[in-house]
Amino acid sequence: QVQLQQWGAGLLKPSETLSLTCAVYGGSFSSYYWSWIRQPPGKGLEWIGEVNHSGSTNYNPSLKSRVTISVDTSKNQFSLKLSSVTAADTAVYYCARGYSGSYYERGSYYYYYYMDVWGKGTTVTVSS
Amino acid sequence: DIQMTQSPSSLSASVGDRVTITCRASQSISSYLNWYQQKPGKAPKLLIYAASSLQSGVPSRFSGSGSGTDFTLTISSLEPEDFATYYCQQSYSTPRTFGQGTKLEIK
Repeated sequence: QVQLQQWGAGLLKPSETLSLTCAVYGGSFSSYYWSWIRQPPGKGLEWIGEVNHSGSTNYNPSLKSRVTISVDTSKNQFSLKLSSVTAADTAVYYCARGYSGSYYERGSYYYYYYMDVWGKGTTVTVSS
Repeated sequence: DIQMTQSPSSLSASVGDRVTITCRASQSISSYLNWYQQKPGKAPKLLIYAASSLQSGVPSRFSGSGSGTDFTLTISSLEPEDFATYYCQQSYSTPRTFGQGTKLEIK
């Protein structure tokens, strides 16, 4: 049973850098994408970005200038850094496993990608 | 970015009701559509992937349909544990955007 355990600082001051790490236990690390998603209080989900085992990344353009997602395959961990935080970055931050695959049905191939395993979330508050 | 719009934003229903939630993409996303359920204080849970494939362990009362730009999530007969917020998400391209959510409440 794959589990994601995440940790990091929960209280930051404006202009500081948010830093979170997510460890993967109980499963393969190399066959998946590893994502970060956040949820401001009372609001919906926002995808931040993802990394694969080789370090290839995709970022949300709205955050790209401030975000770095990296991977440490020796520890089966991946990390999020978000620089120059403001109150607008206050949110619950989740790590998640992304999987892509395909199936064949009625003469056609269908492709998919989903996030099926999630960490429990880390509450990050930005306040002076 | 592909925008995902869910309707309704909130919904009141009773145990045993059949419920349908709609999700519309701003452009065609083929079948790259997932549905998640989130309960207060918990991480989202994957229900449906590839528009209509039921994730392992998810009850069969949940079903999904659609392709292109219009998708639906149907719960055939509501159980007490189904009252939650539901999100659609497109995985056709990055950024992998979510709908704004549909809060399903007990009537």
